[in-house]
Amino acid sequence: EAGVAQSPRYKIIEKRQSVAFWCNPISGHATLYWYQQILGQGPKLLIQFQNNGVVDDSQLPKDRFSAERLKGVDSTLKIQPAKLEDSAVYLCASSLGASGRQTQYFGPGTRLLVL
Amino acid sequence: AQSVSQHNHHVILSEAASLELGCNYSYGGTVNLFWYVQYPGQHLQLLLKYFSGDPLVKGIKGFEAEFIKSKFSFNLRKPSVQWSDTAEYFCAVNHFSSGSARQLTFGSGTQLTVLP
Repeated sequence: EAGVAQSPRYKIIEKRQSVAFWCNPISGHATLYWYQQILGQGPKLLIQFQNNGVVDDSQLPKDRFSAERLKGVDSTLKIQPAKLEDSAVYLCASSLGASGRQTQYFGPGTRLLVL
Repeated sequence: AQSVSQHNHHVILSEAASLELGCNYSYGGTVNLFWYVQYPGQHLQLLLKYFSGDPLVKGIKGFEAEFIKSKFSFNLRKPSVQWSDTAEYFCAVNHFSSGSARQLTFGSGTQLTVLP
């Protein structure tokens, strides 16, 4: 079974530039998550999708971050404009459903460095 | 503030030593508890999970965890560690966030180094 795919794996940009990350979840997984993991911290949920609808985006900095999941499969996360504090690993995860008992499967992450 | 706390940031053990990593949370209501592990160069993956029933739950690779409700704790244990257990370990709690949505909140992680 193929895992969660993410691209790019690494990205270096200057502050105030924009950047986009892509995620392809495990086939058949209805729920997709984006997490931000800052060095030395655990992953923090940014947004959760159920199919192509947003379930929870309470921790997404909406003035600069946006995400979409068209057709309920792939998803993109965008940052515009980027700030220095956005340097982090951005993890995508997916699960069969949104039940609190579902195992989340994580991708390899995109490591972002903002200079 | 509600949170998940892992008090040990870095643990160094020799092979065959016993391991216990602490995890405490402050969420009320119904929670589901997880331990995830990230081996060097690999993705985060599930080690074990607890929802209800027997508070001692067993996971992969000989790991187990004990849920103590009165202490809001879910500590991870292994009787005898191996060099291959070197990894970062994250405790995570699934709880209700805003509205009716459930959210998985992670602790800050414990880096385990096992010396051969």
